[in-house]
Amino acid sequence: EPEVTQTPSHQVTQMGQEVILRCVPISNHLYFYWYRQILGQKVEFLVSFYNNEISEKSEIFDDQFSVERPDGSNFTLKIRSTKLEDSAMYFCASTPRLAGYEQYFGPGTRLTVT
Amino acid sequence: ELKVEQNPLFLSMQEGKNYTIYCNYSTTSDRLYWYRQDPGKSLESLFVLLSNGAVKQEGRLMASLDTKARLSTLHITAAVHDLSATYFCAVDLSGTYKYIFGTGTRLKVLA
Repeated sequence: EPEVTQTPSHQVTQMGQEVILRCVPISNHLYFYWYRQILGQKVEFLVSFYNNEISEKSEIFDDQFSVERPDGSNFTLKIRSTKLEDSAMYFCASTPRLAGYEQYFGPGTRLTVT
Repeated sequence: ELKVEQNPLFLSMQEGKNYTIYCNYSTTSDRLYWYRQDPGKSLESLFVLLSNGAVKQEGRLMASLDTKARLSTLHITAAVHDLSATYFCAVDLSGTYKYIFGTGTRLKVLA
């Protein structure tokens, strides 16, 4: 069964450093998303991406964040200058169509900022 | 701003008992999703509800949607330990590419 994959599974970085989180969505899916989940809390929407551009972003997704689909398979989330409060689990998800479809989530990347 | 609230936030129940988790949302949407998350794991889709009155069942779980009341329920029948997890509902805003998740309900089923 096709699945969303994410790398790395755990990333430790120092405050102020740049990180890139990588995702490979399911191959025939068209819509891609990033979420974050601070430990034990709810899942927060960051950004959605379709047709090589951002479709929607939340207030969390400020100028420190960017997303890119550099090739036909990868979907990346970059945090330019990490802060302590960026420590969280980051999930990538994809759907085949816009509305009415369940999202398929990757296993997540745990980001720890020290 | 769309708010999605679940209650209860925590639920501890005995095996064999029935219970209902509620998901309320604050704006118009015809589409609601339920996900399960085991500790330290990702989210797994349980149900997709796409219209008013929709009801879906899988094993001991049944989900329903009342769009007029802006309410979805996840009913657990004769709970078993394997159902212990955190359950999230999510709503997608009509006309947008944005999904908003509820606060989550952490369910613990005691043997």
